[in-house]
Amino acid sequence: KAGVTQTPRYLIKTRGQQVTLSCSPISGHRSVSWYQQTPGQGLQFLFEYFSETQRNKGNFPGRFSGRQFSNSRSEMNVSTLELGDSALYLCASSLNPDSGANVLTFGAGSRLTVL
Amino acid sequence: GQQLNQSPQSMFIQEGEDVSMNCTSSSIFNTWLWYKQDPGEGPVLLIALYKAGELTSNGRLTAQFGTTRKDSFLNISASIPSDVGIYFCAGGGRDDKIIFGKGTRLHILP
Repeated sequence: KAGVTQTPRYLIKTRGQQVTLSCSPISGHRSVSWYQQTPGQGLQFLFEYFSETQRNKGNFPGRFSGRQFSNSRSEMNVSTLELGDSALYLCASSLNPDSGANVLTFGAGSRLTVL
Repeated sequence: GQQLNQSPQSMFIQEGEDVSMNCTSSSIFNTWLWYKQDPGEGPVLLIALYKAGELTSNGRLTAQFGTTRKDSFLNISASIPSDVGIYFCAGGGRDDKIIFGKGTRLHILP
């Protein structure tokens, strides 16, 4: 069973550009969550999608957005990039957020560097 | 909002020593999870706890879900070099959002 796949693994952008990151969950997992990881702040919750709908959202500006497709694959987009957006972006999938045992399985992450 | 206080932030120990780290919160959680992250990888689940007071072991790892549902600890016995990494606690609340602590970075001295 393939794990959570994130692409690209590494990317470099400049300020003002936008970026799209992709996540393919474990087969059968319908919930996808996104986290931003920086050295000082740990893992910060961005948003969670289930059945193509955003269920939860963290405290990030509107420049951060996401979506989920009918096959459960998800993308997140960051527009007008700032230096502080440099981070490891982690995607995690789970079977069903209402199962009462919402255990996340993470991908290896997409490391974004903004110059 | 909900926050988890994880301590210590970092630890330097000798190989073979036991390790203990914990997470506390002012909020109640329904689930406590412990993850480990190796360099360049995403966090990997070590132990999941679903019931207040639950004590669960996974090899040399033991974790407990606090009886108040506001805390959890992780113990590692007889540490080995591959235990090096960052350990995260995570709590799942009623809204199913999973909140992470800032991590404990474990270093093992030769």
